[in-house]
Amino acid sequence: DTEVTQTPKHLVMGMTNKKSLKCEQHMGHRAMYWYKQKAKKPPELMFVYSYEKLSINESVPSRFSPECPNSSLLNLHLHALQPEDSALYLCASSRTPDPDTQYFGPGTRLTVL
Amino acid sequence: SQQGEEDPQALSIQEGENATMNCSYKTSINNLQWYRQNSGRGLVHLILIRSNEREKHSGRLRVTLDTSKKSSSLLITASRAADTASYFCATDRSNTGKLIFGQGTTLQVKP
Repeated sequence: DTEVTQTPKHLVMGMTNKKSLKCEQHMGHRAMYWYKQKAKKPPELMFVYSYEKLSINESVPSRFSPECPNSSLLNLHLHALQPEDSALYLCASSRTPDPDTQYFGPGTRLTVL
Repeated sequence: SQQGEEDPQALSIQEGENATMNCSYKTSINNLQWYRQNSGRGLVHLILIRSNEREKHSGRLRVTLDTSKKSSSLLITASRAADTASYFCATDRSNTGKLIFGQGTTLQVKP
């Protein structure tokens, strides 16, 4: 199984809502990542989890809260988002956090009204 | 901080032609990777070339790396309509898994 799955595929939320994005992989990878991608732009790294511990936070606003409950799961909790947070949110994983191939999920298309 | 620049930004070719995309970066790297993204979907890893390698092949893909010029190129031979996508280079400077993506090249292959 070389797949990274993400749910939901699409999410529309108001600025006062609380929602969560979910990412799952069963490849035994020990590094997982969240990226944000705006239209016609490259992905931008948000967070890196290495062996279930947060190792990189790219100065992401606190309205985005990552969580890694176990080695297969990665969540991104969303609260009080702004319309400019609307984007494609991509999850990825790799065997280790060393320079290595990253496997991406299909993404969650988020719209904040 | 932006690490990679790619050119051209957009490329349109006929099926069967070759497509070449270039990537330049600013600082020393451990490796350079190329990814493909079909419209609005996740990225697919194409090839990884390490800093001590100069050329790598995978099927119809050929990647070169020139660390002295801080540049890489991706050649797709005998292109197909299914190759239509955006192509990104990505570099990893530290051993943290932190990838920095270039701005990407949008390739259109006309049948």
